[in-house]
Amino acid sequence: GESVGLHLPTLSVQEGDNSIINCAYSNSASDYFIWYKQESGKGPQFIIDIRSNMDKRQGQRVTVLLNKTVKHLSLQIAATQPGDSAVYFCAENGISGGYNKLIFGAGTRLAVHP
Amino acid sequence: NAGVMQNPRHLVRRRGQEARLRCSPMKGHSHVYWYRQLPEEGLKFMVYLQKENIIDESGMPKERFSAEFPKEGPSILRIQQVVRGDSAAYFCASSITLQGVGDEQFFGPGTRLTVL
Repeated sequence: GESVGLHLPTLSVQEGDNSIINCAYSNSASDYFIWYKQESGKGPQFIIDIRSNMDKRQGQRVTVLLNKTVKHLSLQIAATQPGDSAVYFCAENGISGGYNKLIFGAGTRLAVHP
Repeated sequence: NAGVMQNPRHLVRRRGQEARLRCSPMKGHSHVYWYRQLPEEGLKFMVYLQKENIIDESGMPKERFSAEFPKEGPSILRIQQVVRGDSAAYFCASSITLQGVGDEQFFGPGTRLTVL
């Protein structure tokens, strides 16, 4: 289940289950959204992105859903594996000036148990 | 094809010293972004540079912080007279062209700055 600790909220799942990580973004003008995975001691790693003219995009084992009405983004990971354990961040571009000045969410820690 | 490189990976400074963080973008990338991350938080945008130009420094403190991306060599983030509150992980990202929306940023491994 999902719990909120002192710092990052944590989602605990069993290996093989599907995971859903949610994110509320802040800027209604944002037109590009990305999910990143960050393992301990490493930089963010691109997972999947979506533009505002879409509401769903699928990758390998991952799906991103975008609901612009309520400014909500979700990441679905199918058949979660131990290697998926990490902190996941959503990011929005938040600016229409022709470059991506990314605004990151607070992050969710995904803990996968065997 | 090497990814974004940052050095040093770990940097320890005493209060009042200077910190210099280096970022070498991916080959062929001419756009560099710097972000700061406090423990258990998301990354915060600091500055966006192109070769020899600062495009957007709205996230960078006005005092003690500066950034450059010279024609030759890595991008440098410089913090003068460091204070304990500067302790954080600093990440650099690069992108290849200015396509606007959807131009993927590739992140380096970060420099972890500790101020004693």
